[in-house]
Amino acid sequence: SQQGEEDPQALSIQEGENATMNCSYKTSINNLQWYRQNSGRGLVHLILIRSNEREKHSGRLRVTLDTSKKSSSLLITASRAADTASYFCATDGSNQGGKLIFGQGTELSVKP
Amino acid sequence: GAVVSQHPSRVICKSGTSVKIECRSLDFQATTMFWYRQFPKQSLMLMATSNEGSKATYEQGVEKDKFLINHASLTLSTLTVTSAHPEDSSFYICRADPTTEGYGYTFGSGTRLTVV
Repeated sequence: SQQGEEDPQALSIQEGENATMNCSYKTSINNLQWYRQNSGRGLVHLILIRSNEREKHSGRLRVTLDTSKKSSSLLITASRAADTASYFCATDGSNQGGKLIFGQGTELSVKP
Repeated sequence: GAVVSQHPSRVICKSGTSVKIECRSLDFQATTMFWYRQFPKQSLMLMATSNEGSKATYEQGVEKDKFLINHASLTLSTLTVTSAHPEDSSFYICRADPTTEGYGYTFGSGTRLTVV
């Protein structure tokens, strides 16, 4: 399969709670990225973590990367209703000519 | 910052007709552009890699004669969906990466194609 795996496929939480999404991939990578997509809209780049990094923060976002397990997680703290969207991980694989391969996505719903 | 303009944002066409989608890098040059397709409630699937001045490279299962890609200049790639059918209805999105270091991956805003 071209795509990696993400779990959960859907996540519903209350405002103020934390949301954690996981991503697994298959090949060696240069970097891994997380994107947000609101329904019917384009992609919003959230964060990029390089293969030699283990953790990265950006505002309320925290991303971890475990290259030995070929997995990453995205944590959104103190979630807001506006965080409701689909979240995708995407990998830029080594020797893949810059191709970016997307995971299946997690649909996050944050209830006010 | 780097900006990629994709046009049109929405298009409705009749079955059997062809539709052209443009992906333009506004303030940088891109020797390589990528085209993705996204069906409702699904993820983005890479369709092809568009190379300036040469033939596109298509992913397995993507019909090159149906999805014509032309990357005629360093700032423009086009995707033409030929003889469109309702099953081609999808969200098409392009990506272009500046060759200048420091800029990241840049996506267009996408094209919603509906074939009726």
